Formats: sequence, structure tokens, C-alpha cells
Amino acid sequence: AQRVTQPEKLLSVFKGAPVELKCNYSYSGSPELFWYVQYSRQRLQLLLRHISRESIKGFTADLNKGETSFHLKKPFAQEEDSAMYYCALGDTGFQKLVFGTGTRLLVSP
Amino acid sequence: NAGVTQTPKFQVLKTGQSMTLQCAQDMNHEYMSWYRQDPGMGLRLIHYSVGAGITDQGEVPNGYNVSRSTTEDFPLRLLSAAPSQTSVYFCASSSTALSGRAEDTQYFGPGTRLTVL
Repeated sequence: AQRVTQPEKLLSVFKGAPVELKCNYSYSGSPELFWYVQYSRQRLQLLLRHISRESIKGFTADLNKGETSFHLKKPFAQEEDSAMYYCALGDTGFQKLVFGTGTRLLVSP
Repeated sequence: NAGVTQTPKFQVLKTGQSMTLQCAQDMNHEYMSWYRQDPGMGLRLIHYSVGAGITDQGEVPNGYNVSRSTTEDFPLRLLSAAPSQTSVYFCASSSTALSGRAEDTQYFGPGTRLTVL
């Protein structure tokens, strides 16, 4: 069965500190992995996807199939990064996304 | 384009009442989904549709019905509301099957906050 695990409910860091939001998954097929972000009072929006290997707002995420992980990283956190972050696993072909329970990132000045 | 729209934004129901949460998209997307968001549980898929006339159950379908008579609309019906259905509901749409391409991104609506007393 598909499963996404985000072990941290809350991650609190100071501005300028590095950030790593953990995500582990279980899936028997070839995974499609995403990070979504939800800023306060805003709708959920895509942050980045593993297949494009892009960097958005300074965030990167590398798919590690050996460790079944897709951790989200940023070298220097900013206050505006404070939000709820969800890791999601795509069921390719059927448009189903399985979400993790989310990690709230708080960046303090 | 308005993207994905949801109505109402807020709703309070009494146990046993019925209601329909509306979702519409103007991007001609084939795929639409309903999720509920609960503290500590993330987003869970309720129902989804891969095109007009085609729907299927997600992870937590009990207590909810859907239909997809048009490409644009995907309403979610609560036939007899229960306090356990108190949640924030999100509708999402995307153009094709998930492949990681930019055009396949799921777009989410603003959500409906439902309270069942």
C-alpha cells in the first residue's frame, strides 16, 4: 500500500538556519513525489516535484530510492517560509495523491 | 481563469442534515478530486473522477457521494452529516494523469470549512 510518512509535526528554526523536512514513502511502483505548501489562510499549492529536479524559493528535494526518502531542504530559512508542508506520493495513471500528515515549519527572526 | 472554485467557504450543519459542497474548474481538466484535511492526519482522498461520468472512491469515502455530469463540476454530497465530518474540504483538479510534468500539476481550491454540531 502507498504510504507517506512525515515524522515531524513541527519544525522550529531561526532565520538563516538550514532546514530539512523529512519525508519517507512506501510504494511498490515507480514513485511520483511532490512537495506541497500551504501558507496561512491560503490554498494548497505545489512547491516542487521530483521529476523536474527544480529548485523553488531556494528549496530542493532529492529522491533517494534506496532510502525511500524525499526530504525537502533549504540552506538558509526565511521568515516567509513559515507554512505547512506536505509531502505527497502520486499514483501514476489515476491522479490519486497520498499525502503525509504534514510538517509545520516556523521560522523565527 | 478563476482556477478551482469552491462554495461555500464556511458551513455549519446539524447532525443529520444534508448538503452539497460545490467545486468547479474552468481549466478543462479531466481529473478532479475531493480531500478532507484534519489536524494530525494531513489530507485524505475522499472521491476522485478521471472524467465526466466516471468516479471512484478514495481512502475515506463513507458518508459522501459524488457525481460528475460535466467536466467543470464535481459536487460532494453529505447525505446525513455527522460530527466526524467536521473538517476542511479541498477540491483539486489536474489535466492528465500525474507524471510530474508542469501541466499535470494538481490545482487546489480555497477549501470549505464545515462544522457539524
